[in-house]
Amino acid sequence: GAGVSQSPSNKVTEKGKDVELRCDPISGHTALYWYRQRLGQGLEFLIYFQGNSAPDKSGLPSDRFSAERTGESVSTLTIQRTQQEDSAVYLCASSMIAGGYEQYFGPGTRLTVT
Amino acid sequence: QQQVKQSPQSLIVQKGGISIINCAYENTAFDYFPWYQQFPGKGPALLIAIRPDVSEKKEGRFTISFNKSAKQFSLHIMDSQPGDSATYFCAASSDFNKFYFGSGTKLNVKP
Repeated sequence: GAGVSQSPSNKVTEKGKDVELRCDPISGHTALYWYRQRLGQGLEFLIYFQGNSAPDKSGLPSDRFSAERTGESVSTLTIQRTQQEDSAVYLCASSMIAGGYEQYFGPGTRLTVT
Repeated sequence: QQQVKQSPQSLIVQKGGISIINCAYENTAFDYFPWYQQFPGKGPALLIAIRPDVSEKKEGRFTISFNKSAKQFSLHIMDSQPGDSATYFCAASSDFNKFYFGSGTKLNVKP
């Protein structure tokens, strides 16, 4: 398909474990965004990539969160030593600067920390 | 500090009616204001967006009204349909590096 894909779609993990969430953006999209959406709430901006660089990491909630992007394509959001408050849907979006910055969102990864 | 405040939290409208969702912002540097529609289990999808150099933008049944002096913008859905039932988010950005989203409005259009 031509859309943004995310994996896994659901992840249940025990408190204290590390998790990796993957995002495959639309081919050719240079910008990539990660958001967190807690149940019934709006989207919380986490981090933005332009190419493989993340100019501003201030949205990451703590040093347990990290993200990387390689080949101006796939991105991975890693949460170390997960806590129950990390339970949320993690959304990835990509956009093409030349296209006017319209963000295309993936379906999200629902993370549950028990 | 919440950068974008959205109201109401939920909205019930009869089929054929007008749905109105409001957002307010503080940062005058914001210059791009999109609205997103989200269905359960799906990611948000861009509905319509506006820049502050115009006061209104219309696309089909969806209209954004923008009041720069009041730092407010709103989404109007004309002739609301049951298929419009979804959660709507407003957002704002100044540099396309960060997008600030409102808390969302759950719209229910009754047949």
